[in-house]
Amino acid sequence: GAGVSQSPRYKVAKRGQDVALRCDPISGHVSLFWYQQALGQGPEFLTYFQNEAQLDKSGLPSDRFFAERPEGSVSTLKIQRTQQEDSAVYLCASSLGFRLPGRGDYYNEQFFGPGTRLTVL
Amino acid sequence: AQSVAQPEDQVNVAEGNPLTVKCTYSVSGNPYLFWYVQYPNRGLQFLLKYITGDNLVKGSYGFEAEFNKSQTSFHLKKPSALVSDSALYFCAGTGANNLFFGTGTRLTVIP
Repeated sequence: GAGVSQSPRYKVAKRGQDVALRCDPISGHVSLFWYQQALGQGPEFLTYFQNEAQLDKSGLPSDRFFAERPEGSVSTLKIQRTQQEDSAVYLCASSLGFRLPGRGDYYNEQFFGPGTRLTVL
Repeated sequence: AQSVAQPEDQVNVAEGNPLTVKCTYSVSGNPYLFWYVQYPNRGLQFLLKYITGDNLVKGSYGFEAEFNKSQTSFHLKKPSALVSDSALYFCAGTGANNLFFGTGTRLTVIP
């Protein structure tokens, strides 16, 4: 079956441009996550959706970052007025359900897409 | 703050030898721990997880990890390394709504 896909795979933007990064999760996956991975670092959490609801956006670094998942499937991460420090790989992940109600704390593994490498010049 | 630490940036091992990639954790409550592997230009791939139960967890591609509560460790192991195991390995723990990752360990298996 198809995994998580992301587009574009590479994006070069001039400082100040707006960019939109797309994520297609695995069909049927309730939970969707965005992470930012700087060079030589582990991924850092940005935001989390359960279906169409954005339940956690505590990791978004500024109000220039905005994410949506209007129909509970495809998600878009938008960065306005890009800055050089936004250069990173943006990873999307999905899972069946990060925490299953009624079964205590049971965490399903997340499946990651290949990422979008954003370079801001 | 909750965190995982990977004390080694780089691990080199000869093909056929056992390998260990180290991870220690600092979490409140029950620790839920994961190992992921990242190959060049590819997303992270899930290897295994510890939620509860047996301290020795078996995962994909012959990998296993040992949860040690007294040492707050969750080291990744494999009895016999393959050249194809060369990659970047990440240990992760669970926050309220996310995974938090270590800085990664680059494993190189030497033929």
